[in-house]
Amino acid sequence: EVQLVESGGGLVKPGGSLRLSCAASGFYFNDAWMSWVRQAPGKGLEWVGRIISNAGGAKADYAAPVKGRFTISRDDSKTSVFLQMNDLKTEDTATYYCSWVVPASAFGRWGQGISVTVSS
Amino acid sequence: EIVLTQSPGTLSLSPGERATLSCRASQTVSNDYLAWYQQKPGRAPRLLIYGASTRATGIPDRFSGSGSGTDFTLTISRLEPEDFAVYYCQQYGSSPMYTFGQGTKLEI
Repeated sequence: EVQLVESGGGLVKPGGSLRLSCAASGFYFNDAWMSWVRQAPGKGLEWVGRIISNAGGAKADYAAPVKGRFTISRDDSKTSVFLQMNDLKTEDTATYYCSWVVPASAFGRWGQGISVTVSS
Repeated sequence: EIVLTQSPGTLSLSPGERATLSCRASQTVSNDYLAWYQQKPGRAPRLLIYGASTRATGIPDRFSGSGSGTDFTLTISRLEPEDFAVYYCQQYGSSPMYTFGQGTKLEI
């Protein structure tokens, strides 16, 4: 069974940093493309970024609002993907989901989400 | 960046009725890589349809997707009580700049 479990969320002050983790199981992680999607309270879904497989160079791409502040990385030995968030702003407050991306088949599996609150 | 516009914003129907949700793209969606997701309160999104018309694993056949290019539709043939939720479309053809529509709330 495919499982994605996020961790690392919490309350952080503006300008602070936080690192989210997503532990994956139930599929061959080494070939997987992984993405982060967020949802501000009462709002819609917003794509944050995506990382491709190590075989593909582990290239990461980001949405404009987070580019230069957020970094996605992966550790295939731990079947995990990470989201390093720096210089956090109040507008980054959201539930963050990790998702397994299959290029022709969209975002087929999602984690349960983890809450991040940026507030002074 | 491709902008997706969903309509209506809210759709009020009764169980047993047919629901038709629309998603319009500002540019052609490459390869018709258009997906639909269902989200219930406090839950993660669930993939319903990918490639504009292919049902994901385990999705009931009352859900169907259609369309190509810039105009796409999600149809729920006979609404069940558990279908009342928010629905999002997403384009994933312009990888890596995936974008979501703003959502349609389907309410009883």
